[in-house]
Amino acid sequence: QKEVEQDPGPLSVPEGAIVSLNCTYSNSAFQYFMWYRQYSRKGPELLMYTYSSGNKEDGRFTAQVDKSSKYISLFIRDSQPSDSATYLCAMSSWDGQNFVFGPGTRLSVLP
Amino acid sequence: NAGVTQTPKFRVLKTGQSMTLLCAQDMNHEYMYWYRQDPGMGLRLIHYSVGEGTTAKGEVPDGYNVSRLKKQNFLLGLESAAPSQTSVYFCASSSRVGGVSYNEQFFGPGTRLTVL
Repeated sequence: QKEVEQDPGPLSVPEGAIVSLNCTYSNSAFQYFMWYRQYSRKGPELLMYTYSSGNKEDGRFTAQVDKSSKYISLFIRDSQPSDSATYLCAMSSWDGQNFVFGPGTRLSVLP
Repeated sequence: NAGVTQTPKFRVLKTGQSMTLLCAQDMNHEYMYWYRQDPGMGLRLIHYSVGEGTTAKGEVPDGYNVSRLKKQNFLLGLESAAPSQTSVYFCASSSRVGGVSYNEQFFGPGTRLTVL
């Protein structure tokens, strides 16, 4: 079993849809949970950052962490064509070690 | 600030050739990383460095060597390239908080390498 698994996609949705992207993990030592966004032919960039369990909202984006289920999600409301990208979840232990990326989900938002 | 830069952007090698990829960052970050990204595999850590003069192996280090002679530069070398090393290579850096890596990694634009 891989340490981090992510919905493989690709995912195509119409503009304005609510998007749910998900990752599961197996290592209970993970404390920090991140979502990176990667546009085509670019490097990833940090989108959201959460510590431990709970929700975090930033504009149209909400990150959710359920440590009891070892499950994290990223919700995008009112999706836009500019949200079309690959989304990678990432997580690490409290000391920043054991940093692991998920394989990514490619999202296309169609106008 | 340029952030993280990588050279070259593209390269085609023949099997057995060698090359060096250069990563430079101007954010005074302590930590630097080399990843490779392959379809369906996500980002896999090749080597990393926690400071000038130090290097450590990541998940997939075989066939690669690295050096960190200056804080701002991190070099990735392929001594004898193989077709399995065809990939997109990303360099990243992060700062240190309280002696450990702060989790936001800043990535360069990538180098697309093809080994024939």
